[in-house]
Amino acid sequence: DTAVSQTPKYLVTQMGNDKSIKCEQNLGHDTMYWYKQDSKKFLKIMFSYNNKELIINETVPNRFSPKSPDKAHLNLHINSLELGDSAVYFCASSQTREKLFFGSGTQLSVL
Amino acid sequence: KNEVEQSPQNLTAQEGEFITINCSYSVGISALHWLQQHPGGGIVSLFMLSSGKKKHGRLIATINIQEKHSSLHITASHPRDSAVYICAVIQGAQKLVFGQGTRLTINP
Repeated sequence: DTAVSQTPKYLVTQMGNDKSIKCEQNLGHDTMYWYKQDSKKFLKIMFSYNNKELIINETVPNRFSPKSPDKAHLNLHINSLELGDSAVYFCASSQTREKLFFGSGTQLSVL
Repeated sequence: KNEVEQSPQNLTAQEGEFITINCSYSVGISALHWLQQHPGGGIVSLFMLSSGKKKHGRLIATINIQEKHSSLHITASHPRDSAVYICAVIQGAQKLVFGQGTRLTINP
């Protein structure tokens, strides 16, 4: 069983479209995250949720909206996709102040 | 200048060599992570530490909070250790700030 699973692994879409990336963790962790890794492989936090509550929102455009229906899921919805949104998006989870567990990443390509 | 700086950015070594990767940070932190990103893209958390030293197999991580510095050491390096190693500091309760990564290549 994969601890943190995100789908899809690859997402190719046109500019202006709306898309979602799903993330689920089966570790019973309280906290889930979305990170963006740009073309230079630099990672940056986007959002953090703790027990379904938004804790961190790091200057991410409003076109990005996280949704946490329950503690085990944190989905990322992106409206009106732009070329600059092309990146690898990683979901992760942790118990507070413990090791992080990452999903395998979603490579988003906006054409 | 990044809040978290790693050195070196790239490191190539021969199998068996002792490896050190350094991480310096300029902000107050509650703890620090060392992560490993494999060539296939997956990210694995190696250590989380807030003081002293941790060891797991051939990997050792140390942190000096006063000097705002952490090191990751690999003993008896092996080609399968080839990966990008990323330092990330925890600000406040949960915000992670990442270094730019160190690309390690171990040649047989």
